[in-house]
Amino acid sequence: DIQMTQSPSSLSASVGDRVTITCRASQGIRNYLAWYQQKPGKVPKLLIYAASTLQSGVPSRFSGSGSGTDFTLTISSLQPEDVATYYCQKYIGASWAFGQGTKVEI
Amino acid sequence: QVQLQESGPGLVKPSQTLSLTCTVSGDSFSSGAYYWSWIRQHPGKGLEWIGFIHYSGSTYYESSLKSRVTISIDTSKNQFSLKLTSVTAADTAVYYCARVNSGLDAWGQGILVTVSS
Repeated sequence: DIQMTQSPSSLSASVGDRVTITCRASQGIRNYLAWYQQKPGKVPKLLIYAASTLQSGVPSRFSGSGSGTDFTLTISSLQPEDVATYYCQKYIGASWAFGQGTKVEI
Repeated sequence: QVQLQESGPGLVKPSQTLSLTCTVSGDSFSSGAYYWSWIRQHPGKGLEWIGFIHYSGSTYYESSLKSRVTISIDTSKNQFSLKLTSVTAADTAVYYCARVNSGLDAWGQGILVTVSS
């Protein structure tokens, strides 16, 4: 099965900072990658699909890039409401694994 | 606007079968255009994909759970279900159902299932 590895596992940044989270697939997955945000005690929310397409209603400070095995989620200007854990997930093939998550704090 | 709601027992005894149902409201279920998925999250841990089912009944399961998992669908009731056999304490988690649409774009609120005697 294809494994998804995120880094870092956690980070602390200041309001207004640019934040980058990476996700690496153990084999190529083209652009079949989604990013989710899970705030404490809440249900996960789809942010980005097809590696770089912003889900409707998601603020434009979020962006995604990459293809194949290496992907990036970027928050261009971190806001207090962005405190959450972020997960990548592949959605191709028989097993739709998630990354282990990246906890973002301020 | 699609809505999903998990239901089922919050407590299951070890070695028994965990059974959950997800009820879908909105017209997306009957359209046959989507897959429907189960995901779980162990306390304080990350997300684990369990599997998904299509309206037609075709299923895909996470390989590590495949021997114990069955996902089924009841189109007449707008529901899909999860059965996990031979549960242990390691199956204690919040279980979510979700719609597959280039990722998981709609989620239920989740239901905590505790495995304990």
